[in-house]
Amino acid sequence: SQQGEEDPQALSIQEGENATMNCSYKTSINNLQWYRQNSGRGLVHLILIRSNEREKHSGRLRVTLDTSKKSSSLLITASRAADTASYFCATARIQGAQKLVFGQGTRLTINP
Amino acid sequence: KAGVTQTPRYLIKTRGQQVTLSCSPISGHRSVSWYQQTPGQGLQFLFEYFSETQRNKGNFPGRFSGRQFSNSRSEMNVSTLELGDSALYLCASSLETSGPYEQYFGPGTRLTVT
Repeated sequence: SQQGEEDPQALSIQEGENATMNCSYKTSINNLQWYRQNSGRGLVHLILIRSNEREKHSGRLRVTLDTSKKSSSLLITASRAADTASYFCATARIQGAQKLVFGQGTRLTINP
Repeated sequence: KAGVTQTPRYLIKTRGQQVTLSCSPISGHRSVSWYQQTPGQGLQFLFEYFSETQRNKGNFPGRFSGRQFSNSRSEMNVSTLELGDSALYLCASSLETSGPYEQYFGPGTRLTVT
């Protein structure tokens, strides 16, 4: 069963706009990670945020974490066509645990 | 550094057969995890191996098994294949330091069971 749910399931925006995806999870976590997947290929790690962190940035990516609401959001600013992909959040309950529990993902389409 | 490699990339099998998938982690990574991805169930954790020992296991039947060799390469085996085993099988490796750490995924093996 999935730990979390992502919202929206699909998002279509124009190039240059910002894209926001949300993730909710059910149990306490050690960290939350975001991954990108292009067309049924392997996943690429984007960013990791620890449970004691509230916000993290990496390039055009901004991730927030609200442990009281058990939710996270991923913001991609100034989107590009190459950002078209599926985005997944994944949670790890125990520090160092390699067992990631993934959400169902958000399919992001950037229109030129 | 070479990334995670998985072989074969595509596989077609018949119900009842068995299959073995292979994964070579990034050099120096000792943890290897396997995931199954299907449209209905999404990404689900199968198991994780570290230093040739299974360290974590997901909720899959005993038909799914794996192993890890001394060079950290890993194989997973599915016996008595069912139609529902059709999926993308992803392998991920991780550097075992002090954690938490990201996982590096291979391109996957797409298994079709007919």
